[in-house]
Amino acid sequence: EMVMTQSPATLSVSPGERATLSCRASQSVSSHVAWYQQKPGQAPRLLIFDASTRATGISPRFSGSGSGTEFTLTISSLQSEDFAVYYCQQYHGWPPVYTFGQGTKLEIK
Amino acid sequence: EVQLVESGGDLVQPGGSLRLSCEAAGFSFNVYSMNWVRQAPGKGLEWIAYISTSGTAIFYADSVKGRFTISRDNAKTSLYLQMTSLRDEDTAMYYCARARGSGHYALQDWGQGTPVTISS
Repeated sequence: EMVMTQSPATLSVSPGERATLSCRASQSVSSHVAWYQQKPGQAPRLLIFDASTRATGISPRFSGSGSGTEFTLTISSLQSEDFAVYYCQQYHGWPPVYTFGQGTKLEIK
Repeated sequence: EVQLVESGGDLVQPGGSLRLSCEAAGFSFNVYSMNWVRQAPGKGLEWIAYISTSGTAIFYADSVKGRFTISRDNAKTSLYLQMTSLRDEDTAMYYCARARGSGHYALQDWGQGTPVTISS
């Protein structure tokens, strides 16, 4: 069973600083990882797919990296609207099972 | 503009049934695989079902296998989730989500969700 483990569970960062969120897969998922942002009361929004490609309309302050089992989402120069919960997700192989990480809550320091 | 609008969420007793719908607009519905994802109150995201463009390939999370049925009507640009033998732990917001393509891809667009509450 594939498990996606995100760290830390909560990250406190000051506006204007950089945030680095991590995601580890229990087995290799190549580059088939996405990152989503979710704000309270809203649906998730796709930020990054294929580990490092920004989705349409996503600010270049968001960047993704990694392959295999280790992945990172970096948000540079944090703005107020960036404080939210972030989920990683794998979509590797067949059958098409999707696995989400448990989420990282990014909060204002 | 892509639109996904879920409906059908309700308060249901344990053991009951419910059918969720997701109406799609703004894209060629029949060329994208579709999914249902749920989120229990205060919890994370859980993928529960996938359906291919034609509806011939269907997969479920173990937590709903045998109880939930995903289907689609490409002529009506709609996605459905038939839920039976509902349990307390099925209480959640249910989202439909469009994949980025016709197979196993990241989930590009999401609806606003429809709430399902299972309680006696």
